Amino acid sequence: DGGITQSPKYLFRKEGQNVTLSCEQNLNHDAMYWYRQDPGQGLRLIYYSQIVNDFQKGDIAEGYSVSREKKESFPLTVTSAQKNPTAFYLCASAGTSFSSRETQYFGPGTRLLVL
Amino acid sequence: GNSVTQMEGPVTLSEEAFLTINCTYTATGYPSLFWYVQYPGEGLQLLLKATKADDKGSNKGFEATYRKETTSFHLEKGSVQVSDSAVYFCALRVKVYAGANSKLTFGKGITLSVRP
Repeated sequence: DGGITQSPKYLFRKEGQNVTLSCEQNLNHDAMYWYRQDPGQGLRLIYYSQIVNDFQKGDIAEGYSVSREKKESFPLTVTSAQKNPTAFYLCASAGTSFSSRETQYFGPGTRLLVL
Repeated sequence: GNSVTQMEGPVTLSEEAFLTINCTYTATGYPSLFWYVQYPGEGLQLLLKATKADDKGSNKGFEATYRKETTSFHLEKGSVQVSDSAVYFCALRVKVYAGANSKLTFGKGITLSVRP
C-alpha cells in the first residue's frame, strides 16, 4: 500500500537537544511538506520541497532545518534554537501531474514533547 | 495575502442532526478549495474539494459548494453520525503556474462532537 510514514509517534526532547523527525513516502511524489499543529491554531507550514536537493522556508521556519537528499525522504530537525517545540508535526506530499498536485496526502504525525 | 476563516468552535450535535460548518476565504488568483478531516490522534485526510466556482464537492454524505460571489465554501451534512466526530479544516490552494505545487493555506479548524 502506498502512503506516508512518520516516526516516531511520540518524541521527547531535552533542553538544548536537537531531534530529528522522520518522514518517508512511497507515492512517488515530488513535493513534500512539513506542518506544525498547535491547539486552536490550525496548521502552519514550516518547510516544503518541490524536488530533490531543493527546499524553501514556510511561514515558521526559524529553529527548524530540513534536507531532501532522496525523493522519498524529507526529515525535519528541531534544533535547540526552537524555544517552544511542543506540538504535533505533520508531513505531507503531493504529486506533480495536473490532477495529483491538487491534493496533499498526510502522514499520521509525530507528537513532540519537551522534558 | 491568502487566508481562510472558519467559524468558532467547538460544535456539539446530537446524532442525525443537520451540520453546517462555515468557511470563508480571501485569495489572490483563482483558488482551489478543500475540506480536510482529522480523526483523534491521526493525520489529515482529504474529505472533498472543488477547483472552480460553482463546483460542488461531495464525499461520505458531506457536501460543499464553491461560492465565488460570497467567497465561501461551507461544509454541510444532512444527518451526522457519532463516527463523524473529528476536527474539520477548510483550506485553499492558489494556482501559481503550471507544474507548481503551491502551498495550502489552512483555517484554524473546528472540533465536531456528535453524541448518541
